[in-house]
Amino acid sequence: EVQLVESGGGLVQPGRSLRLSCAASGFTFDDYAMHWVRQAPGKSLEWVSGINWKSADMGYADSVKGRFTISRDNAKNSLYLQMNSLRADDTALYYCAKSFSSGYYARFDYWGQGTLVTVSS
Amino acid sequence: EIVLTQSPGTLSLSPGERATLSCRASQSVSSSYLAWYQQKPGQAPRLLMYGASSRATGIPDRFSGSGSRTDFTLTISRLEPEDFAVYYCQQHGSSPLTFGGGTKVEIK
Repeated sequence: EVQLVESGGGLVQPGRSLRLSCAASGFTFDDYAMHWVRQAPGKSLEWVSGINWKSADMGYADSVKGRFTISRDNAKNSLYLQMNSLRADDTALYYCAKSFSSGYYARFDYWGQGTLVTVSS
Repeated sequence: EIVLTQSPGTLSLSPGERATLSCRASQSVSSSYLAWYQQKPGQAPRLLMYGASSRATGIPDRFSGSGSRTDFTLTISRLEPEDFAVYYCQQHGSSPLTFGGGTKVEIK
């Protein structure tokens, strides 16, 4: 059974940093691209970032480019999102999602339950 | 960036009725890269359709998808109580990957 478990969320002040993690199990992690998607309270889904299977190709939403960094550790079956210079509009539930293929231009076939990030003073 | 516009924002229907949801793209999207997701309150999204018209694993055949280029449709032939949820379309063919604003299907 595919499982994606996010962690690392919490309350953080504007301008500070936070690192999210996603622990994956139930599939061969290093065969698939992975993504972060966020959802602000009561809002739609927003793709944040994606990374291909071997970390050779990464993409970011314009809203986070230069502030967020996606990475993965295939030996640990883990995906990460380093978030710097956080702003109030980064407040959201952050989901980890598995790509259907090794490249990140593919549908998301499994999602975690999310970790909540709240940016507030 | 490809903007996806979903309509209507809210659809109020009764169980047993047919639901037709629209997703319009600001630029042409290959149907291979158009997906639909269902999200229920307090839950993560779930893949519903991919390639515009293929059902994901375990999705009942009352769900169907169609469309091409800039106009895509998700149809639920007869609404079951568990189908009342929010539905999102997504294009994953060009970066940034984008989602539509969602259509909420609510019980009338």
